[in-house]
Amino acid sequence: QSALTQPPSASGSPGQSVTISCTGTSSDVGGYNYVSWYQQHPGKAPKLMIYEVSKRPSGVPDRFSGSKSGNTASLTVSGLQAEDEADYYCSSYAGSNNKVFGTGTKVTVL
Amino acid sequence: EVQLVESGGGLVQPGGSLRLSCAASGFTFSSYEMNWVRQAPGKGLEWVSYISSSGSTIYYADSVKGRFTISRDNAKNSLYLQMNSLRAEDTAVYYCARGYADFDYWGQGTLVTVSS
Repeated sequence: QSALTQPPSASGSPGQSVTISCTGTSSDVGGYNYVSWYQQHPGKAPKLMIYEVSKRPSGVPDRFSGSKSGNTASLTVSGLQAEDEADYYCSSYAGSNNKVFGTGTKVTVL
Repeated sequence: EVQLVESGGGLVQPGGSLRLSCAASGFTFSSYEMNWVRQAPGKGLEWVSYISSSGSTIYYADSVKGRFTISRDNAKNSLYLQMNSLRAEDTAVYYCARGYADFDYWGQGTLVTVSS
């Protein structure tokens, strides 16, 4: 199972929005509504930010939103804040009881 | 408060074995599916293995199938990963994570280094 494709980096100024794409295939992202997004600060464990494409766990700010179109999912962070600077990974159920992660995107707040 | 605490990592020679543990607290462990996810140094996340709440259903990534064994002891609120025939490419931080299609809680990770 190949990793989902994400851009290596993305950036924005405080208050701006940044959108990260996550491209897979019809066997993973396009085939199931089980796309999730994780935020990881250096040296820390990943944190669930979005699940089932667009749902936010309790405690995650509504500045974080998710969507999906075809084989590509997206995470948008609106109103960027300094603490949003981190690595972000998408993940998808990939059938046959497999899960696959994205290649990761480093978000920089300028 | 949900807590997952991994232990058992360390330095091991190629071909060697290691057993990781994950101690769970703050939730009804026996009601939740669990996973191991790893991250090689400077690299992305890779799902390794899944076990159902009862332990009756288990899945592995192709990269570890036949070498790693996941198990759990619900009486001890603990998750395990027995790793045999270790290779250099198994070097990573290993996280335990709760859930099935998505992982809502993660431990802090334990580092496994496979090197001679």
